[in-house]
Amino acid sequence: AQSVTQPDIHITVSEGASLELRCNYSYGATPYLFWYVQSPGQGLQLLLKYFSGDTLVQGIKGFEAEFKRSQSSFNLRKPSVHWSDAAEYFCAVGAGAQKLVFGQGTRLTINP
Amino acid sequence: GAVVSQHPSRVICKSGTSVKIECRSLDFQATTMFWYRQFPKQSLMLMATSNEGSKATYEQGVEKDKFLINHASLTLSTLTVTSAHPEDSSFYICSAPRLAGGPGEQFFGPGTRLTVL
Repeated sequence: AQSVTQPDIHITVSEGASLELRCNYSYGATPYLFWYVQSPGQGLQLLLKYFSGDTLVQGIKGFEAEFKRSQSSFNLRKPSVHWSDAAEYFCAVGAGAQKLVFGQGTRLTINP
Repeated sequence: GAVVSQHPSRVICKSGTSVKIECRSLDFQATTMFWYRQFPKQSLMLMATSNEGSKATYEQGVEKDKFLINHASLTLSTLTVTSAHPEDSSFYICSAPRLAGGPGEQFFGPGTRLTVL
């Protein structure tokens, strides 16, 4: 069965610092991978996605993620975080029939 | 971009009552919608797939008689929590696939916070 693991429940970084959020997946075939962001009281917004091709994908708000098949990982990165990036981040894998399986989420706190 | 709305955004009810949550795709048609449940500080768990014109498909462990789903039109799906109890208190989120975006890409509603007293 498909599964997604986000090892870090909570991460705190200083504004302007770089960020990496980890995501590991388990899936039998070529995965469709997603990163979503959830701000308090709001729905999930797609940051970026990987279906095929270039393993480094660019997303909105300056985020990028790299698909590494050998490590079953799809880590999210941003070179310099802004206070507005504070939110909950979810990694997800497409599980067939357009379903999504989500990781546990990583809560990002930004120190001024 | 496409928008998915949910109503109400927040509801408080007494134990034993039923609560209906609406999910609408505002500017596109959705033959399929998904309902998720999210407990505080936890991930989204898929509850069921709502199919326009046919029965919903429930995930393992989800009581279909407890969580009634009706997909009456191409823009509306409803989730009714019947005989709600405090353990049903949660954040319920719906989504609809963005067909042009590829498999698994979905538009999410803002969620409905249900509190059962």
